[in-house]
Amino acid sequence: QQQVKQSPQSLIVQKGGISIINCAYENTAFDYFPWYQQFPGKGPALLIAIRPDVSEKKEGRFTISFNKSAKQFSLHIMDSQPGDSATYFCAAIIFFNDKIIFGKGTRLHILP
Amino acid sequence: EAGVVQSPRYKIIEKKQPVAFWCNPISGHNTLYWYLQNLGQGPELLIRYENEEAVDDSQLPKDRFSAERLKGVDSTLKIQPAELGDSAVYLCASSLGREAGPYNEQFFGPGTRLTVL
Repeated sequence: QQQVKQSPQSLIVQKGGISIINCAYENTAFDYFPWYQQFPGKGPALLIAIRPDVSEKKEGRFTISFNKSAKQFSLHIMDSQPGDSATYFCAAIIFFNDKIIFGKGTRLHILP
Repeated sequence: EAGVVQSPRYKIIEKKQPVAFWCNPISGHNTLYWYLQNLGQGPELLIRYENEEAVDDSQLPKDRFSAERLKGVDSTLKIQPAELGDSAVYLCASSLGREAGPYNEQFFGPGTRLTVL
């Protein structure tokens, strides 16, 4: 049973544009919401993460917006660059069992 | 500092053959994870070790999959016999574990891409 729903499945954005990826969850027991970036032939790497008591977190060009009441969160990539082309996974973690539940991923392609 | 090391990077086998994957975690990381990543999907946890103890193997198909981490450092994941549906990327990850606090990060290796013919 998929517990984290991610959309869109793929996304094409012009260089300099804003990339937006959305996720929704149902389990209110989740404690932490990370985003991972994965390049071909590599494992996922933590990009940015947020706790559910925070509505927004920004790190450089990457921002997570979190809506606890709607059980939704999103990743915004500002000034998108060709080097941002990768697959992005939203995820949710329950600290008690140390398990990461990943979304299905979004393949992002930034046009040069 | 070296990251998580996995070998082999690629493996092609015939169905019904056995296969093994090896993982060496980041030095000092007590917790080790094995994940399965199917094409176009996010990783799914197979098993988690705290030192040499498997503390969560609920998602490991025990009829054909086995894993070990005998000395609490490196680990081996085995499939015997392999089936066509086992074709996927097998990822290993490690972390400092819960003792480091709730936000300790999992670091992933590059994975082993398995193709079963």
